[in-house]
Amino acid sequence: QVQLVESGGGVVQPGRSLRLSCAASGFTFSNYGMHWVRQAPGKGLEWVALIWFDGTNKYYADSVKGRFTISRDNSKNTLYLQMNSLRAEDTAVYYCTRLAGNRVYNWFDPWGQGILVTVSS
Amino acid sequence: EIVMTQSPATLSVSPGERATLSCRASQSVSSNLAWYQQKPGQAPRLLIYDASTRATGIPARFSGSGSGTEFTLTISSLQSEDFAVYSCQQYNNWPPYTFGQGTKLEIK
Repeated sequence: QVQLVESGGGVVQPGRSLRLSCAASGFTFSNYGMHWVRQAPGKGLEWVALIWFDGTNKYYADSVKGRFTISRDNSKNTLYLQMNSLRAEDTAVYYCTRLAGNRVYNWFDPWGQGILVTVSS
Repeated sequence: EIVMTQSPATLSVSPGERATLSCRASQSVSSNLAWYQQKPGQAPRLLIYDASTRATGIPARFSGSGSGTEFTLTISSLQSEDFAVYSCQQYNNWPPYTFGQGTKLEIK
C-alpha cells in the first residue's frame, strides 16, 4: 500500500535551518508530483510547496518563498523540504502528500502522518 | 488568492442524523474542489474531489455537491467515526492551493 513517512522534525531556534524528508513506498514515486502542506497548532491546513514528478517545476506559498526549498531524489524515493531562516510562525505539523489528478487540476492524496516542527528560542 | 470560507465553525449533530457542511469560495472555482476529513492526531484523508466524486473507499453516506462558489458536504446518517474536522480545498487557481478553516463536527 502507499506509504509516506516524514522525518527530520524537532525544535529549532529562530533563524536556524532544518531539513524534512519524506520516504515514499508502495507506488512509483518518480511518476508523481509531491506537495508539502502544514498545519499550525489549532489552525487550518496551509499548502507550502509543490514539485513536479521530475523536479523540473517547483511552486511555493508566498509565506515561504525564498526561505524554503522543495526537492526530491527519485533514486531514493524521497521528498525533501529545506527550511531556512525559520520563524516562530513556521511552527506546525508538516505533511507530505502526493499529487492526485492531473497537471492542471490536482488535489492531495494520500498524506503522510506528519512531523512536528517547533521554532522557539 | 482564492479565499475559502466554511460554515459553521462547529456543528453539533446526533448519531444517525444528517449533517450538512458548507464551503464558499471568494470567486468561482468551477467544480475544482476537494473535501478532507481529519481526526485528532491524524493526517487529513481525502473524501471528495471534483466537488462530488467520492474517493476510493469512502462510504456512500458522504456526498458532495455544488459548483462555482457554493459547495456542500452532506453526511446522510452520522456514524460515531464521522465526528471529525472537515476541510474544503480549491485547486482551480493555484498557486496557492487554498483551504477553508475547517468545520468541527461534534456529537450532540
